[in-house]
Amino acid sequence: DAGVIQSPRHEVTEMGQEVTLRCKPISGHNSLFWYRQTMMRGLELLIYFNNNVPIDDSGMPEDRFSAKMPNASFSTLKIQPSEPRDSAVYFCASSPVAGTNYGYTFGSGTRLTVV
Amino acid sequence: DAKTTQPPSMDCAEGRAANLPCNHSTISGNEYVYWYRQIHSQGPQYIIHGLKNNETNEMASLIITEDRKSSTLILPHATLRDTAVYYCIVRVPGVRGSQGNLIFGKGTKLSVKP
Repeated sequence: DAGVIQSPRHEVTEMGQEVTLRCKPISGHNSLFWYRQTMMRGLELLIYFNNNVPIDDSGMPEDRFSAKMPNASFSTLKIQPSEPRDSAVYFCASSPVAGTNYGYTFGSGTRLTVV
Repeated sequence: DAKTTQPPSMDCAEGRAANLPCNHSTISGNEYVYWYRQIHSQGPQYIIHGLKNNETNEMASLIITEDRKSSTLILPHATLRDTAVYYCIVRVPGVRGSQGNLIFGKGTKLSVKP
C-alpha cells in the first residue's frame, strides 16, 4: 500500500501565478480531506469529500481556492491567483467513509512557498 | 464538538512511560476521543480512539475517566522516535460512523530525551 500520495512535495511560485496541488487517496477510501498547516494557525481543515462529493468547504479561505475530486482516485486543490500568505504545508488525507476504527491516513504534504 | 485542553509541552525520558493528559469537561455522551500525532515535517498519524472504555493497541493505551471529562494517552516505553506533537480531538462520529471532519487544536509537544 503506497499510502496517500501528494505531488509535488515542494512548490515555489511567484505571487499571482496559479498553483495546483494533487492528491491520490488510498484505494477504497471514500473520504478525502484537504488541510493547511502554518505556524500561526496550526492545522486547518479546508474541505472534505465523501464519495467524490464536496461535503463541507467552509474552511476554504476565499474564492481564490478551489478543490475538485473528479474520481475516487484523484483530487486537486487549486489556488488562483496565489499570494504570499498562502505559503504553508498542504496535507491531503483519506479514510473509509464508514467505521470509527479507521483513522485518517495523511500524505507527506506539499510545502508551498509563494514569493 | 467539545473543547479539549492539553498542556503545550512535556518531556519524557527514553524508555519510560509517557502520559499525555487531555481535558474535555464538556464532552457529550456520543462523542469519541481521538488521538493523533505529528512527527516533525510529516503528516499527522492516527494513534487510537475510544468512547468510554479503556483501549489499547500496538502503539498506545487510552485511559478515559469514568465521568469521561478527561483522558490520558500512554506510550508505555517512549523512544526518541516518539518525539512529536500529540493531538487530542473530541467529536461525534461522522457519516456512517466515520471519524468525519476532525478539527485539530494546538496539541502537546512531547520531547523524549536520552
